[in-house]
Amino acid sequence: GAVVSQHPSWVICKSGTSVKIECRSLDFQATTMFWYRQFPKQSLMLMATSNEGSKATYEQGVEKDKFLINHASLTLSTLTVTSAHPEDSSFYICSAQGLAASYNEQFFGPGTRLTVL
Amino acid sequence: GNSVTQMEGPVTLSEEAFLTINCTYTATGYPSLFWYVQYPGEGLQLLLKATKADDKGSNKGFEATYRKETTSFHLEKGSVQVSDSAVYFCALSDNVNKFYFGSGTKLNVKP
Repeated sequence: GAVVSQHPSWVICKSGTSVKIECRSLDFQATTMFWYRQFPKQSLMLMATSNEGSKATYEQGVEKDKFLINHASLTLSTLTVTSAHPEDSSFYICSAQGLAASYNEQFFGPGTRLTVL
Repeated sequence: GNSVTQMEGPVTLSEEAFLTINCTYTATGYPSLFWYVQYPGEGLQLLLKATKADDKGSNKGFEATYRKETTSFHLEKGSVQVSDSAVYFCALSDNVNKFYFGSGTKLNVKP
């Protein structure tokens, strides 16, 4: 099946620094990638949708200047958490939808746990 | 708006027991419904799906039926195994391709 990887799997950073998380589709081309955030014991919340070569679409309440998303190629999207603060600590999960997939099938990465000290 | 509610865990069962994880949804329009499973240290994997009312999704002994009248999509398995231990997420997708997830239910199966 389709495989999506994320890097790093976990990261610890100091408050005020920026952190970049990569999401890659390993064996298929992803026209659309999605970024989710998951708090402990809570649902995955969609943060933004990114299409290759265009600007990401952010969900209401998500700060686009804080969570920078780039989808520069059909196999890579990046999420940069700028000037991270402890409240940004969370589990970030990406998913990717391929060219040949049905419109409602997404393949998920294993997630990245961010801890901001 | 769209939302998914699923039973809180953890659910602890003995091997070969019957499993039910309840899931109900609220949606405008006619969503597709999904169950995803997340094994420790791995990403979410699609377990099964149903795209219209009365459809039954099934995979690996798990099944769920799209019940529009009760807005439910309960997950069932007749005989669980230790290897089924994981977190299970119920989700819906609307016609604009957005997913809405439940909070997840952790299943522990003891030998």
